[in-house]
Amino acid sequence: EIVLTQSPGTLSLSPGERVTLSCKASQSVSGNDLAWYQQKPGQAPRLLIYGASSRATGIPDRFSGSGSGTDFSLTISRLESEDFAVYYCQHYGISPRSFGQGTKLEI
Amino acid sequence: EVQLVASGGGLVQPGRSLRLSCAASGFTFDDYAMYWVRQAPGKGLEWVARVRWNSGFTDYADSVTGRFTISRDNANNSLYLQMDSLRGEDTALYFCAKAMYLMPATGPLDVWGQGTMVTVSS
Repeated sequence: EIVLTQSPGTLSLSPGERVTLSCKASQSVSGNDLAWYQQKPGQAPRLLIYGASSRATGIPDRFSGSGSGTDFSLTISRLESEDFAVYYCQHYGISPRSFGQGTKLEI
Repeated sequence: EVQLVASGGGLVQPGRSLRLSCAASGFTFDDYAMYWVRQAPGKGLEWVARVRWNSGFTDYADSVTGRFTISRDNANNSLYLQMDSLRGEDTALYFCAKAMYLMPATGPLDVWGQGTMVTVSS
């Protein structure tokens, strides 16, 4: 079973700042089958990034993903007010298709 | 519009059963694997189960194996989760979600339902 560890747990930032979130896997994620999701309070998660670095449809280019093997990251180049949310990584190549515990971005 | 609508949640006593449903529309349902993902109050996301072409191709999280059964009715564009022997730790908001890629591939989850709340308590 692949365990995903996200860091940090919570980040306090301001609009306009750049931020990088980390997701580390306990073993190599084959094929870079790693996704990032954004979840706002009271809403379902939204797919942001898949294949470690491909943006999903409609996702602004201030969101970017990178990494391979066991180390992955999500970068938001310039935070906007609507970006303050919880972010989860997930591997989806093999079962169980587990999620990281999440990183909360707060103002 | 691609849409998933989950239903069937509610308050249930420990040890009892509940069946969740998810109605799909706006895409060719039987071309995609489908998932259930849950979220306990104030907690993170937990992958629960996956079904591929038909109910014969399934897999589950260890926490629900032997108690939950995922199934699908391709003729009616519907996904189900039969939950038996429910426990307090199964209390969560249950989301249905669609895999992004056409089968046999699966991929990430690109469409999510709004969730249906299950509360297990006496």
